[in-house]
Amino acid sequence: SQKIEQNSEALNIQEGKTATLTCNYTNYSPAYLQWYRQDPGRGPVFLLLIRENEKEKRKERLKVTFDTTLKQSLFHITASQPADSATYLCALDMGTGGFKTIFGAGTRLFVKA
Amino acid sequence: EAQVTQNPRYLITVTGKKLTVTCSQNMNHEYMSWYRQDPGLGLRQIYYSMNVEVTDKGDVPEGYKVSRKEKRNFPLILESPSPNQTSLYFCASSFLQGNNEQFFGPGTRLTVL
Repeated sequence: SQKIEQNSEALNIQEGKTATLTCNYTNYSPAYLQWYRQDPGRGPVFLLLIRENEKEKRKERLKVTFDTTLKQSLFHITASQPADSATYLCALDMGTGGFKTIFGAGTRLFVKA
Repeated sequence: EAQVTQNPRYLITVTGKKLTVTCSQNMNHEYMSWYRQDPGLGLRQIYYSMNVEVTDKGDVPEGYKVSRKEKRNFPLILESPSPNQTSLYFCASSFLQGNNEQFFGPGTRLTVL
């Protein structure tokens, strides 16, 4: 069955640097992949979606890449700020033709001032 | 304000006592879904619904029931809760078209003793 792997270790970076988070999946390539941000005690908030025929998507300081050969998506935050500290989740559809979604466990990002 | 609401936000109950967690959205979304979030396991989909009277199982449906009698509401029912259903529950909704951005509720923290 489809699985998602995100780095379970927290990522610590200095303010102003670029944070890069990884999302790897097994088996088939999904029709799309999403990234969400989750703050402690809150529900996830949608950030970006990238489709299987797209290599890269950008939104302000965020950039997502999608490599179906490597079965991997990378999520970049440029010029990171302490306010970017949160857990970032990737999600993808199960490819069943319905709307079944699976989420990764998330990577915790800490940006130090 | 566009939002997904859940009630209750916190609930402590005992094994076997039936409970319902309500979920309501005011965005006219066709799709609604329930997830549970446990440490190290991420968000796991319980049930989802693509429209009124259309529901389907996610990855972890055992021990749960749902109904979709109205477009805006999608209650989660635990007929006989057990301690392994202690978790943080999130309801989400989205349109079926576009970027499939899911809007999440604030979460319900359930403890089953």
